[in-house]
Amino acid sequence: DAKTTQPPSMDCAEGRAANLPCNHSTISGNEYVYWYRQIHSQGPQYIIHGLKNNETNEMASLIITEDRKSSTLILPHATLRDTAVYYCIVRVAGRGGADGLTFGKGTHLIIQP
Amino acid sequence: GAGVSQSPSNKVTEKGKDVELRCDPISGHTALYWYRQRLGQGLEFLIYFQGNSAPDKSGLPSDRFSAERTGESVSTLTIQRTQQEDSAVYLCASSPGTSGVSTGELFFGEGSRLTVL
Repeated sequence: DAKTTQPPSMDCAEGRAANLPCNHSTISGNEYVYWYRQIHSQGPQYIIHGLKNNETNEMASLIITEDRKSSTLILPHATLRDTAVYYCIVRVAGRGGADGLTFGKGTHLIIQP
Repeated sequence: GAGVSQSPSNKVTEKGKDVELRCDPISGHTALYWYRQRLGQGLEFLIYFQGNSAPDKSGLPSDRFSAERTGESVSTLTIQRTQQEDSAVYLCASSPGTSGVSTGELFFGEGSRLTVL
């Protein structure tokens, strides 16, 4: 399975765009990139996923490089409530345990007032 | 209900006792997952159910752990002869799917916090 590398922590000022990087240099052609976040004391929350095209929804945008070896999750106008651990996962459905959804250590994003 | 429901939200038990944790998934979701999260740690996969297929039990840490699911409905995670190391938040998630494959969009419950004294 492709593994991901994320910085352990990041700060961002409230109101600014938060850009969270993820490296997945060994990703294969049929693996999707998923992003989840976990706010303190809550269950994880799905954010977005994509294969190769950039994706946008009401929560965030996902930018995937052309070679698919890295991606960036963008929260366009970060608020204090966006403080959370953000997980980047590469997945093929049915792969190994957890149906391919293995959560690593993620990035602890801290939004500063 | 609108989301995944787990019960109990908190459980304190004595070492050696058995516990049952319940998960009510979102109606119509074919996939159901159990994860464990120890204090300050990441999510640890336990077991995955998909429709009527045999569950993927590869994450269960020992034979003291078992889980069942009735069709595409309620799931119960059972821990026998609990140990202090079992203390954690146990998270359940469900996911829609097509053709027997989960979309990967997991909807998590709030978890059951287990404390073993």
